[in-house]
Amino acid sequence: SQQGEEDPQALSIQEGENATMNCSYKTSINNLQWYRQNSGRGLVHLILIRSNEREKHSGRLRVTLDTSKKSSSLLITASRAADTASYFCATDGIVDSSYKLIFGSGTRLLVRP
Amino acid sequence: KAGVTQTPRYLIKTRGQQVTLSCSPISGHRSVSWYQQTPGQGLQFLFEYFSETQRNKGNFPGRFSGRQFSNSRSEMNVSTLELGDSALYLCASSVYNLGANTEAFFGQGTRLTVV
Repeated sequence: SQQGEEDPQALSIQEGENATMNCSYKTSINNLQWYRQNSGRGLVHLILIRSNEREKHSGRLRVTLDTSKKSSSLLITASRAADTASYFCATDGIVDSSYKLIFGSGTRLLVRP
Repeated sequence: KAGVTQTPRYLIKTRGQQVTLSCSPISGHRSVSWYQQTPGQGLQFLFEYFSETQRNKGNFPGRFSGRQFSNSRSEMNVSTLELGDSALYLCASSVYNLGANTEAFFGQGTRLTVV
């Protein structure tokens, strides 16, 4: 499968706690993007990190990228009930001679009030 | 600035029929890419159009096709529908084409059910 893997598949935490999700991928990439999806609706873009960057912050989000291990992590600090959603990583790179956004399998995050 | 708009939001079709989905990108964006999301296969890339040309393609059969107009709006067509085509179809728009370190912004999707 071309898809990346995310772990954990599901995560349940208490409001106020931090949530960490990991993403591994298989091919060389130009960038990696993280998205949030609520209940089968559209994807909301969270952050893009380029292959030459190691860490990026946006509000309560912190993303790291380790291209030597082909992995990335998304940390959400001080989580809120509204953060409950599925989170996906997507890599932009060449696969079978075409550029594609290859998505991970996603992490379902539940933040309990 | 308006986001990515997909129409229709929901669609029910019969096996063997064909369907056309529409995507209007964010103003100024020239790339539109399409994705299929199913519980079993997850999110899979269909194809990308940039400046009216198909630039990149996923591993889907020829029944799945698309086009892009001069105003960057894109349509995706699926012919001879099969039950397995039931999915959420998402489009994304970007300023530049895939591979150019560009953020991709998604629409709300079209939920297609084939009966």
